[in-house]
Amino acid sequence: DGGITQSPKYLFRKEGQNVTLSCEQNLNHDAMYWYRQDPGQGLRLIYYSQIVNDFQKGDIAEGYSVSREKKESFPLTVTSAQKNPTAFYLCASRMGGEGQPQHFGDGTRLSIL
Amino acid sequence: AQSVAQPEDQVNVAEGNPLTVKCTYSVSGNPYLFWYVQYPNRGLQFLLKYITGDNLVKGSYGFEAEFNKSQTSFHLKKPSALVSDSALYFCAVFPPQAGTALIFGKGTTLSVSS
Repeated sequence: DGGITQSPKYLFRKEGQNVTLSCEQNLNHDAMYWYRQDPGQGLRLIYYSQIVNDFQKGDIAEGYSVSREKKESFPLTVTSAQKNPTAFYLCASRMGGEGQPQHFGDGTRLSIL
Repeated sequence: AQSVAQPEDQVNVAEGNPLTVKCTYSVSGNPYLFWYVQYPNRGLQFLLKYITGDNLVKGSYGFEAEFNKSQTSFHLKKPSALVSDSALYFCAVFPPQAGTALIFGKGTTLSVSS
């Protein structure tokens, strides 16, 4: 089955530590996205990538970094500079233009130890 | 600033009754409009979209939505609610003339009682 796989499902970060969230898709989609979800705040865009080796900052990119070395992979690193990383992180992908829906993974819940 | 509003944090409805989840937007041009549903600890699932054409669009699981350009609204509806419809619903808008990414509303929790 085609889809988006996020791992791990739960992740704990210690103070001063960088952690990387994995997002892999086998849908052959060009565009990929990372969102942060906090209760009552909807989804906020962290980074997005329209093609391999290119990505753009979203609304809340500070304290995060990404790479897009392969079409199917778009990992997100939460750095120690992100002082409030506790949230539910969602990865999405899209085929074609902006009129097409995004497909979402099942998320990674990040907490601070 | 471009924005999407879901004015109700929670909607409560009895099973078998019709439901409406409201969405209004403030964006430039002719936006693309979407509804997504999220179950606990899961990702979002696409329900339906409006790009152009008939103002009433039909989507998955019996949901439909009505686009109203003059009121800049895109309300989600279902004629007869099911307990299994209980979830978090998001409206999202893409402004093609000015946007680079989807703008999401803050979500509305739908609770259907038996």
